[in-house]
Amino acid sequence: DQQVKQNSPSLSVQEGRISILNCDYTNSMFDYFLWYKKYPAEGPTFLISISSIKDKNEDGRFTVFLNKSAKHLSLHIVPSQPGDSAVYFCAARGYVSYNTDKLIFGTGTRLQVFP
Amino acid sequence: DSGVTQTPKHLITATGQRVTLRCSPRSGDLSVYWYQQSLDQGLQFLIQYYNGEERAKGNILERFSAQQFPDLHSELNLSSLELGDSALYFCASSVQIGRGEGPLHFGNGTRLTVT
Repeated sequence: DQQVKQNSPSLSVQEGRISILNCDYTNSMFDYFLWYKKYPAEGPTFLISISSIKDKNEDGRFTVFLNKSAKHLSLHIVPSQPGDSAVYFCAARGYVSYNTDKLIFGTGTRLQVFP
Repeated sequence: DSGVTQTPKHLITATGQRVTLRCSPRSGDLSVYWYQQSLDQGLQFLIQYYNGEERAKGNILERFSAQQFPDLHSELNLSSLELGDSALYFCASSVQIGRGEGPLHFGNGTRLTVT
């Protein structure tokens, strides 16, 4: 059962334009969401997060939007740069109990930014 | 550099064998998480340890086990290896105090190839 879904395996965007990566989740108990970026031969790198009590969080060129009613979040990258080309993972935290949790990941979207 | 160290980087072994993957978390991080990434798949949560105690389990096979030592480093033991166990194994760590919302910081992974 895939609780976190990234339905677009790949996305190609021109440099300078906006990249929009989407993520859907099914578990309404998720209360914290994160985006990670992954380059080949490296581990995932934390990019930006959002708590379920917010609907938007911004950090420089990166903005994450959360629509709880739709169980949907998106990552906007503006403007896109060639160095942004990577695989982007959406993740949701399922809080279990004090000091106990797990992060559930989507399958990733490969973003390619071309000149 | 995330501060999370995983060794070895690559491991090639035969079916039926047993291997141990090692992880040193970031300084000060008490929680360690293990994830498996098979080809073209997302990161599958295996297990979480907090300050030496097992706290959360995912879809970890009975042939796999883990532990976290008093110095907080962790080891993931994989036994009776099968071809399907070939994957990238990531370790991540976080401070994780209570219901903390800090991100997980990932190592660069161990690539396991079972032949």
